[in-house]
Amino acid sequence: SAVISQKPSRDICQRGTSLTIQCQVDSQVTMMFWYRQQPGQSLTLIATANQGSEATYESGFVIDKFPISRPNLTFSTLTVSNMSPEDSSIYLCSVGSGDDGEQYFGPGTRLTVT
Amino acid sequence: SQQGEEDPQALSIQEGENATMNCSYKTSINNLQWYRQNSGRGLVHLILIRSNEREKHSGRLRVTLDTSKKSSSLLITASRAADTASYFCASSNSGGSNYKLTFGKGTLLTVNP
Repeated sequence: SAVISQKPSRDICQRGTSLTIQCQVDSQVTMMFWYRQQPGQSLTLIATANQGSEATYESGFVIDKFPISRPNLTFSTLTVSNMSPEDSSIYLCSVGSGDDGEQYFGPGTRLTVT
Repeated sequence: SQQGEEDPQALSIQEGENATMNCSYKTSINNLQWYRQNSGRGLVHLILIRSNEREKHSGRLRVTLDTSKKSSSLLITASRAADTASYFCASSNSGGSNYKLTFGKGTLLTVNP
Protein backbone atom coordinates (compact mmCIF):
# COMPACT_ATOMS: atom_id res chain seq x y z
CA SER A 1 0.00 0.00 0.00
CA ALA A 2 1.09 3.57 -0.64
CA VAL A 3 2.07 5.97 2.12
CA ILE A 4 0.64 9.43 1.60
CA SER A 5 1.44 12.65 3.40
CA GLN A 6 -0.32 15.99 3.25
CA LYS A 7 0.77 19.48 4.18
CA PRO A 8 -0.42 21.40 6.05
CA SER A 9 -2.30 19.15 8.45
CA ARG A 10 -4.52 22.07 9.43
CA ASP A 11 -4.79 25.80 8.87
CA ILE A 12 -6.94 28.74 9.78
CA CYS A 13 -7.27 31.23 6.95
CA GLN A 14 -8.89 34.58 6.35
CA ARG A 15 -11.77 35.02 3.99
CA GLY A 16 -10.66 35.95 0.47
CA THR A 17 -7.22 34.34 0.68
CA SER A 18 -5.99 31.14 -0.95
CA LEU A 19 -4.38 28.01 0.47
CA THR A 20 -2.36 25.40 -1.38
CA ILE A 21 -2.42 21.86 -0.03
CA GLN A 22 0.35 19.45 -0.92
CA CYS A 23 0.03 15.70 -1.33
CA GLN A 24 3.14 13.49 -1.50
CA VAL A 25 3.15 9.75 -2.24
CA ASP A 26 6.01 7.37 -1.52
CA SER A 27 5.65 5.58 -4.86
CA GLN A 28 4.75 6.47 -8.41
CA VAL A 29 1.03 6.40 -9.07
CA THR A 30 -1.03 7.20 -12.12
CA MET A 31 -4.18 8.53 -10.59
CA MET A 32 -4.61 10.86 -7.65
CA PHE A 33 -7.87 12.15 -6.28
CA TRP A 34 -8.89 15.16 -4.23
CA TYR A 35 -11.92 15.02 -1.92
CA ARG A 36 -13.73 17.48 0.30
CA GLN A 37 -15.41 16.44 3.52
CA GLN A 38 -17.60 19.11 5.02
CA PRO A 39 -18.22 19.01 8.78
CA GLY A 40 -20.14 15.89 9.75
CA GLN A 41 -20.56 14.87 6.13
CA SER A 42 -19.26 12.22 3.77
CA LEU A 43 -16.59 12.61 1.12
CA THR A 44 -17.28 14.40 -2.14
CA LEU A 45 -14.89 13.98 -5.04
CA ILE A 46 -13.53 17.31 -6.27
CA ALA A 47 -11.35 16.13 -9.14
CA THR A 48 -9.15 13.40 -10.55
CA ALA A 49 -5.55 14.35 -11.29
CA ASN A 50 -3.50 12.42 -13.79
CA GLN A 51 0.12 13.24 -14.41
CA GLY A 52 0.65 15.09 -17.65
CA SER A 53 -2.94 16.06 -18.27
CA GLU A 54 -5.50 18.52 -16.99
CA ALA A 55 -7.45 17.51 -13.92
CA THR A 56 -10.99 16.27 -14.42
CA TYR A 57 -13.46 18.10 -12.19
CA GLU A 58 -16.73 16.80 -10.83
CA SER A 59 -20.01 18.62 -11.17
CA GLY A 60 -20.10 21.62 -8.87
CA PHE A 61 -16.33 22.12 -8.78
CA VAL A 62 -14.43 24.42 -11.14
CA ILE A 63 -10.79 24.94 -11.94
CA ASP A 64 -10.83 28.64 -11.05
CA LYS A 65 -11.86 27.80 -7.49
CA PHE A 66 -9.84 24.59 -7.05
CA PRO A 67 -6.80 24.64 -9.35
CA ILE A 68 -4.81 21.41 -9.24
CA SER A 69 -1.27 20.67 -10.29
CA ARG A 70 0.23 17.25 -10.96
CA PRO A 71 3.85 17.84 -11.96
CA ASN A 72 5.04 14.23 -11.51
CA LEU A 73 3.90 10.76 -10.48
CA THR A 74 4.41 11.28 -6.74
CA PHE A 75 3.11 14.78 -6.06
CA SER A 76 0.02 16.93 -6.45
CA THR A 77 -1.32 20.20 -5.08
CA LEU A 78 -4.83 21.51 -4.60
CA THR A 79 -5.41 25.23 -4.14
CA VAL A 80 -8.56 26.53 -2.51
CA SER A 81 -8.95 30.03 -3.94
CA ASN A 82 -10.75 33.11 -2.70
CA MET A 83 -11.91 31.24 0.38
CA SER A 84 -15.16 31.77 2.22
CA PRO A 85 -16.37 30.17 5.48
CA GLU A 86 -18.27 27.62 3.37
CA ASP A 87 -14.91 26.21 2.29
CA SER A 88 -14.18 25.09 5.85
CA SER A 89 -13.72 21.34 5.43
CA ILE A 90 -11.26 18.52 5.54
CA TYR A 91 -9.51 18.10 2.21
CA LEU A 92 -8.12 14.65 1.45
CA CYS A 93 -6.00 13.30 -1.34
CA SER A 94 -5.95 9.66 -2.31
CA VAL A 95 -4.33 7.39 -4.85
CA GLY A 96 -5.81 4.53 -6.79
CA SER A 97 -4.29 1.09 -6.52
CA GLY A 98 -4.72 -2.32 -8.03
CA ASP A 99 -7.11 -3.55 -10.64
CA ASP A 100 -10.17 -3.06 -8.46
CA GLY A 101 -9.54 0.59 -7.71
CA GLU A 102 -9.20 0.58 -3.95
CA GLN A 103 -7.84 3.86 -2.72
CA TYR A 104 -5.30 4.89 -0.12
CA PHE A 105 -5.84 8.18 1.63
CA GLY A 106 -3.67 10.86 3.09
CA PRO A 107 -4.33 12.08 6.64
CA GLY A 108 -6.26 15.10 5.43
CA THR A 109 -5.94 18.87 5.79
CA ARG A 110 -8.41 20.50 8.15
CA LEU A 111 -9.19 23.98 6.86
CA THR A 112 -11.05 26.63 8.81
CA VAL A 113 -11.95 29.88 7.08
CA THR A 114 -12.84 32.86 9.27
CA SER B 1 -27.93 11.94 -6.96
CA GLN B 2 -26.29 10.61 -3.81
CA GLN B 3 -25.21 7.01 -3.96
CA GLY B 4 -24.42 4.87 -0.96
CA GLU B 5 -26.86 5.54 1.81
CA GLU B 6 -25.78 3.91 5.05
CA ASP B 7 -27.94 3.01 7.95
CA PRO B 8 -27.97 3.42 10.76
CA GLN B 9 -26.41 6.88 10.83
CA ALA B 10 -25.16 6.19 14.34
CA LEU B 11 -24.75 2.99 16.31
CA SER B 12 -23.71 2.56 19.93
CA ILE B 13 -22.87 -0.88 21.31
CA GLN B 14 -20.96 -2.53 24.13
CA GLU B 15 -17.55 -4.09 23.69
CA GLY B 16 -17.84 -7.70 22.62
CA GLU B 17 -21.11 -7.20 20.75
CA ASN B 18 -21.45 -7.39 16.98
CA ALA B 19 -22.06 -4.31 14.86
CA THR B 20 -23.94 -4.39 11.57
CA MET B 21 -24.02 -1.50 9.13
CA ASN B 22 -25.96 -1.41 5.89
CA CYS B 23 -25.39 0.43 2.64
CA SER B 24 -27.55 0.95 -0.42
CA TYR B 25 -26.50 2.23 -3.81
CA LYS B 26 -28.36 3.30 -6.89
CA THR B 27 -26.53 2.25 -10.04
CA SER B 28 -24.75 -0.84 -11.27
CA ILE B 29 -21.38 -1.34 -9.65
CA ASN B 30 -18.10 -2.98 -10.42
CA ASN B 31 -17.29 -3.37 -6.75
CA LEU B 32 -18.22 -1.98 -3.35
CA GLN B 33 -15.67 -0.99 -0.75
CA TRP B 34 -15.80 -0.21 2.96
CA TYR B 35 -13.59 2.34 4.66
CA ARG B 36 -13.02 3.43 8.26
CA GLN B 37 -12.28 6.96 9.40
CA ASN B 38 -11.09 7.79 12.89
CA SER B 39 -11.89 11.25 14.24
CA GLY B 40 -11.91 13.16 10.95
CA ARG B 41 -8.59 11.79 9.80
CA GLY B 42 -7.74 9.91 6.60
CA LEU B 43 -9.72 6.90 5.53
CA VAL B 44 -8.46 3.35 5.83
CA HIS B 45 -9.51 0.75 3.30
CA LEU B 46 -11.10 -2.24 5.05
CA ILE B 47 -12.48 -4.63 2.49
CA LEU B 48 -13.64 -4.81 -1.12
CA ILE B 49 -16.30 -7.04 -2.60
CA ARG B 50 -16.73 -7.47 -6.33
CA SER B 51 -20.11 -7.43 -8.04
CA ASN B 52 -19.91 -11.18 -8.74
CA GLU B 53 -19.25 -12.01 -5.08
CA ARG B 54 -21.90 -12.42 -2.40
CA GLU B 55 -19.87 -12.63 0.79
CA LYS B 56 -16.33 -11.91 1.89
CA HIS B 57 -14.46 -12.23 5.17
CA SER B 58 -11.40 -10.50 6.54
CA GLY B 59 -10.54 -11.13 10.18
CA ARG B 60 -13.48 -9.87 12.26
CA LEU B 61 -15.12 -8.30 9.22
CA ARG B 62 -17.79 -9.89 7.08
CA VAL B 63 -19.23 -8.13 4.04
CA THR B 64 -22.23 -9.22 2.03
CA LEU B 65 -23.46 -7.90 -1.29
CA ASP B 66 -26.91 -8.23 -2.82
CA THR B 67 -26.83 -6.76 -6.30
CA SER B 68 -30.53 -7.45 -6.86
CA LYS B 69 -31.35 -5.15 -3.93
CA LYS B 70 -28.37 -2.87 -4.55
CA SER B 71 -27.29 -3.23 -0.96
CA SER B 72 -24.37 -4.34 1.15
CA SER B 73 -23.76 -4.94 4.82
CA LEU B 74 -20.67 -4.82 6.98
CA LEU B 75 -20.56 -6.93 10.12
CA ILE B 76 -17.89 -6.39 12.75
CA THR B 77 -17.81 -9.26 15.22
CA ALA B 78 -16.61 -9.13 18.81
CA SER B 79 -16.26 -5.36 18.70
CA ARG B 80 -13.55 -3.49 20.59
CA ALA B 81 -13.33 0.08 21.82
CA ALA B 82 -10.71 0.66 19.11
CA ASP B 83 -13.38 -0.02 16.48
CA THR B 84 -15.00 3.30 17.38
CA ALA B 85 -14.96 5.26 14.12
CA SER B 86 -17.06 6.30 11.15
CA TYR B 87 -17.59 3.66 8.50
CA PHE B 88 -18.28 4.49 4.86
CA CYS B 89 -19.25 2.38 1.92
CA ALA B 90 -18.03 3.46 -1.50
CA SER B 91 -19.21 2.17 -4.82
CA SER B 92 -17.11 1.87 -7.92
CA ASN B 93 -19.09 1.74 -11.12
CA SER B 94 -16.15 1.56 -13.48
CA GLY B 95 -13.29 -0.84 -13.79
CA GLY B 96 -9.93 -0.40 -15.44
CA SER B 97 -8.13 2.80 -14.74
CA ASN B 98 -11.00 4.97 -13.63
CA TYR B 99 -11.17 4.11 -9.92
CA LYS B 100 -13.81 6.75 -9.27
CA LEU B 101 -15.61 6.10 -5.99
CA THR B 102 -18.92 7.42 -4.75
CA PHE B 103 -19.13 7.49 -0.97
CA GLY B 104 -22.15 6.99 1.22
CA LYS B 105 -23.05 9.16 4.17
CA GLY B 106 -21.42 6.91 6.72
CA THR B 107 -22.26 5.25 10.03
CA LEU B 108 -20.74 6.52 13.26
CA LEU B 109 -19.99 3.50 15.42
CA THR B 110 -19.31 3.92 19.13
CA VAL B 111 -18.09 0.89 21.06
CA ASN B 112 -18.35 1.41 24.80
CA PRO B 113 -15.82 -0.36 27.03
